[in-house]
Amino acid sequence: GQQVMQIPQYQHVQEGEDFTTYCNSSTTLSNIQWYKQRPGGHPVFLIQLVKSGEVKKQKRLTFQFGEAKKNSSLHITATQTTDVGTYFCAGFIAGNKLTFGGGTRVLVKP
Amino acid sequence: NAGVTQTPKFRVLKTGQSMTLLCAQDMNHEYMYWYRQDPGMGLRLIHYSVGEGTTAKGEVPDGYNVSRLKKQNFLLGLESAAPSQTSVYFCASRRQGGYGYTFGSGTRLTVV
Repeated sequence: GQQVMQIPQYQHVQEGEDFTTYCNSSTTLSNIQWYKQRPGGHPVFLIQLVKSGEVKKQKRLTFQFGEAKKNSSLHITATQTTDVGTYFCAGFIAGNKLTFGGGTRVLVKP
Repeated sequence: NAGVTQTPKFRVLKTGQSMTLLCAQDMNHEYMYWYRQDPGMGLRLIHYSVGEGTTAKGEVPDGYNVSRLKKQNFLLGLESAAPSQTSVYFCASRRQGGYGYTFGSGTRLTVV
């Protein structure tokens, strides 16, 4: 079964509002990565978190890695229409290959 | 730099036909991967390669074969296509010791 879970599967957000999407793993991760896929596009690497409790920011996006290294979150402030897309988290569970979560599809209401 | 290039971009196959998807990267990356993406299922790993001449199975390898005869190319073959293989296929690469994957633009395959 899927070892990396993301919630919610869909996120409808009013433009200007904040929201958070969550990623949970059944096993401890060495690191976690986040990707964004625009509609009709391909996944694009956003960031990698490695340390327990690590927090990184990219403009309006804040990424956090849990203390136990089994969960992560992505918080977006003041959502814009350019934030539309699907956000994936992914972790190296075994070897040199990433396991991706199912993604959170973000829809923005103007 | 082109990055990761996938050909073809679209293809319609009849059940039982065969085809090969080509992935080419010009970044000298050691690792290459094939994923399929289905609605609500995220990205699932089919096969991967950690270097020229090596391949390994991923999460959903059945019905697919791969080859990596040259470092820059990773081929995905469907010997006898089935409707269940209708999907969007993404190739990705990563350099050894690197962080994120670089994805190609995808191949949308429909098997009828």
